[in-house]
Amino acid sequence: NAGVTQTPKFQVLKTGQSMTLQCAQDMNHEYMSWYRQDPGMGLRLIHYSVGAGITDQGEVPNGYNVSRSTTEDFPLRLLSAAPSQTSVYFCASSYGMMVGSPLHFGNGTRLTVT
Amino acid sequence: SQQGEEDPQALSIQEGENATMNCSYKTSINNLQWYRQNSGRGLVHLILIRSNEREKHSGRLRVTLDTSKKSSSLLITASRAADTASYFCATDKAAGNKLTFGGGTRVLVKP
Repeated sequence: NAGVTQTPKFQVLKTGQSMTLQCAQDMNHEYMSWYRQDPGMGLRLIHYSVGAGITDQGEVPNGYNVSRSTTEDFPLRLLSAAPSQTSVYFCASSYGMMVGSPLHFGNGTRLTVT
Repeated sequence: SQQGEEDPQALSIQEGENATMNCSYKTSINNLQWYRQNSGRGLVHLILIRSNEREKHSGRLRVTLDTSKKSSSLLITASRAADTASYFCATDKAAGNKLTFGGGTRVLVKP
């Protein structure tokens, strides 16, 4: 199993550009989520999904969109990049929060917005 | 706002010593988890302790949970250089679908 795969590993955007961060998992996990990690802030939840066709907002959803058309994929879209979105983005999946299943993380996408 | 807060923010110890870090949280939880993050990598799950458990062991790791004080501790015994990493606690609120992370403790184990 590849686990959770994130692409790209690095990305530089100009302010106002849009892009999609890809996330795929091959563990048949129902739950998927996106976090951003900033120095001194820990990880903050952006959006999450409890199954295909279902998404919900996390702690810091503004400026980001998600969709979940399949169990495997959970892309994160930046609509109009801003310097405040410079961060490291992690995708994570699990069998489900309600059963206390641990999260499996990808290796992250490091995004710089200039 | 963060549900979990780790203490200390950074810890430097010699190989072979024990490392202890603490996590405090604000609201009732279903369970508390600890994760490790090596530099430039994603987080890796270490151990999960449920709200009705008080102590749990996994290899050289020992986790305690005190729900009356809303706090948890992670002890790494006989530390190794390979234990150098950041450690995060994470909590999910009762009846919630969100796992909230603290700011982490950076641990440096010197050989």
